[in-house]
Amino acid sequence: DAMVIQNPRYQVTQFGKPVTLSCSQTLNHNVMYWYQQKSSQAPKLLFHYYDKDFNNEADTPDNFQSRRPNTSFCFLDIRSPGLGDAAMYLCATNDLSHQPQHFGDGTRLSIL
Amino acid sequence: GQQVMQIPQYQHVQEGEDFTTYCNSSTTLSNIQWYKQRPGGHPVFLIQLVKSGEVKKQKRLTFQFGEAKKNSSLHITATQTTDVGTYFCAVYDYKLSFGAGTTVTVRA
Repeated sequence: DAMVIQNPRYQVTQFGKPVTLSCSQTLNHNVMYWYQQKSSQAPKLLFHYYDKDFNNEADTPDNFQSRRPNTSFCFLDIRSPGLGDAAMYLCATNDLSHQPQHFGDGTRLSIL
Repeated sequence: GQQVMQIPQYQHVQEGEDFTTYCNSSTTLSNIQWYKQRPGGHPVFLIQLVKSGEVKKQKRLTFQFGEAKKNSSLHITATQTTDVGTYFCAVYDYKLSFGAGTTVTVRA
């Protein structure tokens, strides 16, 4: 059973056209994370929510925003995607910050 | 977050052989986690180590945390084609920081 669900699996958008990626979880975990992973690289943390408390990484571009309307859902908004934003975007959850994280299948974003 | 260096970056292994991937830090780590990511897949948690000198085994996988808690290793015996993927070590220090990963390919 899928516990961290990301939609869509593949997303194509145009240069500069806003795009939203979604993540939902059935685990009732209070922490949700968004990572960016480029080819042959490790996942790079963009930001995370501890409940409704938003924590942004210092090097996350302003172009990236996030919303968490409730425990189950979290969204990644890219306001004006550039070619360099083409990547796999991974959502992950856990119940306490130091516990193992559960990842979704990811959304692969392509920019035309 | 704490930095962890992982080597080698690539490991090409003959089926049936053993290999080891290493994770090193210049500072003492409170814990270390290992994840496996299959090609086209997402990272999957394998194990967490927290104690000095800790050794844990999962079938053909042996995980070790150094006595000084500055390094960790993953040793796989009798490699199989199902072991293909990228193995990441990661450390939690107010966020999860991943090593660069070791990408393993297996020749039959």
